[in-house]
Amino acid sequence: QPVLTQPPSASASLGASVTLTCTLSSGYSNYKVDWYQQRPGKGPRFVMRVGTGGIVGSKGDGIPDRFSVLGSGLNRYLTIKNIQEEDESDYHCGADHGSGSNFVVFGGGTKLTVL
Amino acid sequence: EVQLVQSGAEVKKPGESLRISCKGSGYSFTSYWISWVRQMPGKGLEWMGRIDPSDSYTNYSPSFQGHVTISADKSISTAYLQWSSLKASDTAMYYCARQSFDWLLNWFDPWGQGTLVTVSS
Repeated sequence: QPVLTQPPSASASLGASVTLTCTLSSGYSNYKVDWYQQRPGKGPRFVMRVGTGGIVGSKGDGIPDRFSVLGSGLNRYLTIKNIQEEDESDYHCGADHGSGSNFVVFGGGTKLTVL
Repeated sequence: EVQLVQSGAEVKKPGESLRISCKGSGYSFTSYWISWVRQMPGKGLEWMGRIDPSDSYTNYSPSFQGHVTISADKSISTAYLQWSSLKASDTAMYYCARQSFDWLLNWFDPWGQGTLVTVSS
């Protein structure tokens, strides 16, 4: 099963843009990854799924257009434009091998600080 | 509105048993998986396992197999996570989350609000 690697922290100024990265381990370049936002003291919230062709399916409820994704090689990216204070969160990526399997893995999460 | 509502925080002693719950509403409870996810203090997310509420078929992560039991009562749209003998290392926030049976669309959405389990002597 793949390992998902995320940098532990990232920061961006209010109104700027930031790109968060989730890297799949070697040999898993065809895997899709799900992004989740977790605001301080709250449960996770689905953002969107990304493959090498970009977004898969639709965004989660209430996710603004400022959020977008891209996939390339082993990397899956989440870009947030015009960062707002409410975007300060932990962002987790996850991958599910498929329905009925016993394999779901998450990255360690990236804490995004809005300056 | 699709919702998963979890039971309240628990404080237990090592060796005690515990069952926490997750009640679904706003959708057909038997048409989706329910998964359980652990988040230890200050750490990331760990998938524990999932259940098909229509027939109680379960998958477990190898890391949690044998340590917890996942069950469901479809008549009341509720899934459960239980321990027979808690350890201090079980202290964590536990989330339930819904997943589609369609693997092309099987992201976790929505999530419950979480149940904090504290195990301390």
